[in-house]
Amino acid sequence: EVQLVQSGAEVRKPGESLKISCKASGYSFTTYWIGWVRQMPGKGLEWVGIIYPGDSDARYSPSYQGQVTISADKSINTAYLQWDSLKASDTSMYFCARRFDGPSTGVDFWGQGTLVTVST
Amino acid sequence: SYELTQPPSVSVSPGQTARITCSGDALPKQYTYWYQQKPGQAPVVLIYNDTKRPSEIPERFSGSSSGTTATLTISGVQAEDEADYYCHSADHSGSFPWVFGGGTKVTVL
Repeated sequence: EVQLVQSGAEVRKPGESLKISCKASGYSFTTYWIGWVRQMPGKGLEWVGIIYPGDSDARYSPSYQGQVTISADKSINTAYLQWDSLKASDTSMYFCARRFDGPSTGVDFWGQGTLVTVST
Repeated sequence: SYELTQPPSVSVSPGQTARITCSGDALPKQYTYWYQQKPGQAPVVLIYNDTKRPSEIPERFSGSSSGTTATLTISGVQAEDEADYYCHSADHSGSFPWVFGGGTKVTVL
């Protein structure tokens, strides 16, 4: 059974760093793209970025390029989303999501979400 | 940047049929995916590759695509279908970033 289990909710102050995680199980972690989708409170879904754990090839949406870092640790089947300096505007729910196999752009499995709150 | 357009809301009575459209210039070339999201939950895939349905998804959910418009149809709507629905696809290049529609709130009257 495919599972994506994300780390718990986080509260940080502006300027602080943060790394959230998504642990995958039930499939070959290195052969599927896995990414992060943001959902601001009461709003829609938006891609942040995506990574291929097999070779750590990472792609970012233009709005997030240079603002976050996506990485993966093959040894523990875990993907990460990291901020070096959080802003209040980063407050959102963040979902990890596995892309369908093959030439596809869609998501077949989602994590449960990690709520990130940035506030003084 | 590429956009997918959905109606903000659709209202339907129980047992009736709800249709949610998704418009985008590249849809003749790119597959459309549909997701359902209930409050406080992660999205769930309902339809992939325009028309395919995962085995665990009820048959009342179906997808179609014609020209620049994809459609999610919910036949025999049930109260539990009240949720937000998002389409998802890519621009003509198919390259990341992929795009979600703005979402459609389905209200069961």
